Amino acid sequence: DAGITQSPRHKVTETGTPVTLRCHQTENHRYMYWYRQDPGHGLRLIHYSYGVKDTDKGEVSDGYSVSRSKTEDFLLTLESATSSQTSVYFCAISEGRPFSYEQYFGPGTRLTVT
Amino acid sequence: KNQVEQSPQSLIILEGKNCTLQCNYTVSPFSNLRWYKQDTGRGPVSLTIMTFSENTKSNGRYTATLDADTKQSSLHITASQLSDSASYICVVTANTDKLIFGTGTRLQVFP
Repeated sequence: DAGITQSPRHKVTETGTPVTLRCHQTENHRYMYWYRQDPGHGLRLIHYSYGVKDTDKGEVSDGYSVSRSKTEDFLLTLESATSSQTSVYFCAISEGRPFSYEQYFGPGTRLTVT
Repeated sequence: KNQVEQSPQSLIILEGKNCTLQCNYTVSPFSNLRWYKQDTGRGPVSLTIMTFSENTKSNGRYTATLDADTKQSSLHITASQLSDSASYICVVTANTDKLIFGTGTRLQVFP
């Protein structure tokens, strides 16, 4: 998984609780991404980062926030989890801009919101 | 609307047989097309990346083709193995840095 770890790998939480997922990379890649994967949908981009403290929204960003204080770490926070956020979350990294560079994916975090 | 459609949704084949997966897209402006393999419970792993000018690209027993005129791509798997059982995802990248993911074809290879 190209030097990418995600934690936790599995989490069950209750509606209304805050949740933070962590992505850690050892590749020193500039770009980092958070996707969610749901049955019947392709991977959908939540947020991405193009450098420390530089982040931007993806197509399904509502209800999510991110932070990147170090090159190697990218955090995804669900401020108040809802059942619609039950999903598998993937972190990805790339050396440069997405259309030019390969994206490498982490192992995923399965989140269940009850 | 930018879209990537894959067919079939699922496929069952016997070990040793060949198979072909299809990807049709309506993405503009086109930058490149990627095929990923995703094993159950794992993240996607890249198989090939093709730009506008490339018609064919191989990675071992995997061969991807691209017809930019008809906006179609295929992934051909030769002499399938049990380890080929996975989902195969077609991804089209637009020059705007946007990646559009297909929903995947789930391939099962049985002995």
